[in-house]
Amino acid sequence: AQSVAQPEDQVNVAEGNPLTVKCTYSVSGNPYLFWYVQYPNRGLQFLLKYITGDNLVKGSYGFEAEFNKSQTSFHLKKPSALVSDSALYFCAVRDRNYGGSQGNLIFGKGTKLSVKP
Amino acid sequence: EAQVTQNPRYLITVTGKKLTVTCSQNMNHEYMSWYRQDPGLGLRQIYYSMNVEVTDKGDVPEGYKVSRKEKRNFPLILESPSPNQTSLYFCASSFQTGASYEQYFGPGTRLTVT
Repeated sequence: AQSVAQPEDQVNVAEGNPLTVKCTYSVSGNPYLFWYVQYPNRGLQFLLKYITGDNLVKGSYGFEAEFNKSQTSFHLKKPSALVSDSALYFCAVRDRNYGGSQGNLIFGKGTKLSVKP
Repeated sequence: EAQVTQNPRYLITVTGKKLTVTCSQNMNHEYMSWYRQDPGLGLRQIYYSMNVEVTDKGDVPEGYKVSRKEKRNFPLILESPSPNQTSLYFCASSFQTGASYEQYFGPGTRLTVT
């Protein structure tokens, strides 16, 4: 069965410092991996995805994520955090070898990122 | 503007009173899905549809119904709402399913059942 774990409920970072939001996954085959962000009172917005190729993926708002197959991880990173980055972040996985219900996205429980001035 | 719209955005209702939350997308997407978001549980899929007249259960379908008569619309129906269906609901769509396409989310519907 597919699963996603975001081990931290909350991450606190000072503005200007680098940030990391962790994500590990479990799928039986090869994964498609996604990060979404949810700002207060808004729907989820797509940030970036890993499909194939370069393990370092760059996305919106200066975010990037590194796919590590051996550690089954896809951590979200940003070199210099902004107060406006404060939001709820979701990691999601889909097993590329399956269609139908097994091809659906599975979301982690979310990590609240708080960036203080 | 490409978007997913949901209505209503906020709804307070009483136990047993049937309600429908509408969802519409203007991107000609094949795949549409409903999720509920609860604190500490993340997003859980309720139902999904891979195309017109093709729907299937997600992880938490009990107490919900859906239909997909047109490609753009995917309403969520609660025939007899109960307090445990109080939640934040999101509709989403993507070009296809089982592939690399990201999902586009609506703004959410906050439902309270008393």
